[in-house]
Amino acid sequence: DVKVTQSSRYLVKRTGEKVFLECVQDMDHENMFWYRQDPGLGLRLIYFSYDVKMKEKGDIPEGYSVSREKKERFSLILESASTNQTSMYLCASSPRVSNQPQHFGDGTRLSIL
Amino acid sequence: AQRVTQPEKLLSVFKGAPVELKCNYSYSGSPELFWYVQYSRQRLQLLLRHISRESIKGFTADLNKGETSFHLKKPFAQEEDSAMYYCALYSNYQLIWGAGTKLIIKP
Repeated sequence: DVKVTQSSRYLVKRTGEKVFLECVQDMDHENMFWYRQDPGLGLRLIYFSYDVKMKEKGDIPEGYSVSREKKERFSLILESASTNQTSMYLCASSPRVSNQPQHFGDGTRLSIL
Repeated sequence: AQRVTQPEKLLSVFKGAPVELKCNYSYSGSPELFWYVQYSRQRLQLLLRHISRESIKGFTADLNKGETSFHLKKPFAQEEDSAMYYCALYSNYQLIWGAGTKLIIKP
């Protein structure tokens, strides 16, 4: 069974801090994704990666960056956290083969004070 | 533009009643559509995909290209069906998501 693990379930940080969210998958998937999930807005794609060291902007990349140094790990970085980045963050992975389902982690609920 | 619309933010039905969660899409081409579900305090997970033509937990969804819809249906709702449901469209390595419908099953 696919396992996508996010490093923290809950995280509280202060405005202006640099925040790292980590995600690891164990199924050798090529594609990895970072979303934020907000009530009434559904899932919005922040960034995705289809290979090591490759990244593509999603719908809302502003204020975020990502790193994919190894195939199994995809990190989301908030360069200077702001209160409007308080949200639930979801990581997902999928095989490169087209239209395969995405597998999700448990999510990280991030609060920026 | 590619888009997925779930017109209902909240749907509340009684246990044993039929359920229909609406999903409409906009896509030029042959769509690949999914339904995902998130139960309380659980991770988002795939419920079903249209190419499988399967029934999962009593739910079915039929792709209607004429109406550009992919509604999720279940003839008799159960309390454990209470969850958040998302419709998603595959496009260019990504999924385009609807805003989600919260389904509440009343006892």
